[in-house]
Amino acid sequence: DQQVKQNSPSLSVQEGRISILNCDYTNSMFDYFLWYKKYPAEGPTFLISISSIKDKNEDGRFTVFLNKSAKHLSLHIVPSQPGDSAVYFCAASPGNQFYFGTGTSLTVIP
Amino acid sequence: DTGVSQDPRHKITKRGQNVTFRCDPISEHNRLYWYRQTLGQGPEFLTYFQNEAQLEKSRLLSDRFSAERPKGSFSTLEIQRTEQGDSAMYLCASQGDATSGFFGPGTRLTVL
Repeated sequence: DQQVKQNSPSLSVQEGRISILNCDYTNSMFDYFLWYKKYPAEGPTFLISISSIKDKNEDGRFTVFLNKSAKHLSLHIVPSQPGDSAVYFCAASPGNQFYFGTGTSLTVIP
Repeated sequence: DTGVSQDPRHKITKRGQNVTFRCDPISEHNRLYWYRQTLGQGPEFLTYFQNEAQLEKSRLLSDRFSAERPKGSFSTLEIQRTEQGDSAMYLCASQGDATSGFFGPGTRLTVL
């Protein structure tokens, strides 16, 4: 039972353009959402989070948008850089654990 | 380095052997999580500690798996009688009261 879904396994974007990664969830008890970035052979690295009381959170080139009615969140990276190439995981929490999506592999083409 | 550390980083073992992994969380974090990740999947929750108390265990955590967090500091995850299906990356994460979860580098287990 996949409660957090990332339906795009991969995404390719030109350097300098916007990358948009999407995530859908099913559990209305989730109140905290996070994005992690993962390089091969490393643990996930925290990128940005958003609480359910907000609909947008920005940190530099990264912005996370939350649409609670649609149970959808997205991560925008602008401008995209080659160093952003990695697997991005969406995660959601009802307070006691994190549920992860299956990841989207982002490739930023120089 | 004040991040989450895990030891060992890699472990190769034969089927039927016992293995133990260690996680040292960020010192002021009271929550500690163990996750397992297999190829092409996101991390899957195994168990969660609040200080030294193990508050939640996943159905994925069979009787062969046991985790401890004595004194609410480091944690160990032991797998007894390993099976080939146990081969995965085992991730530890720690979290403070108002922070996001920070993951360690993981222990990659290969069961031959």
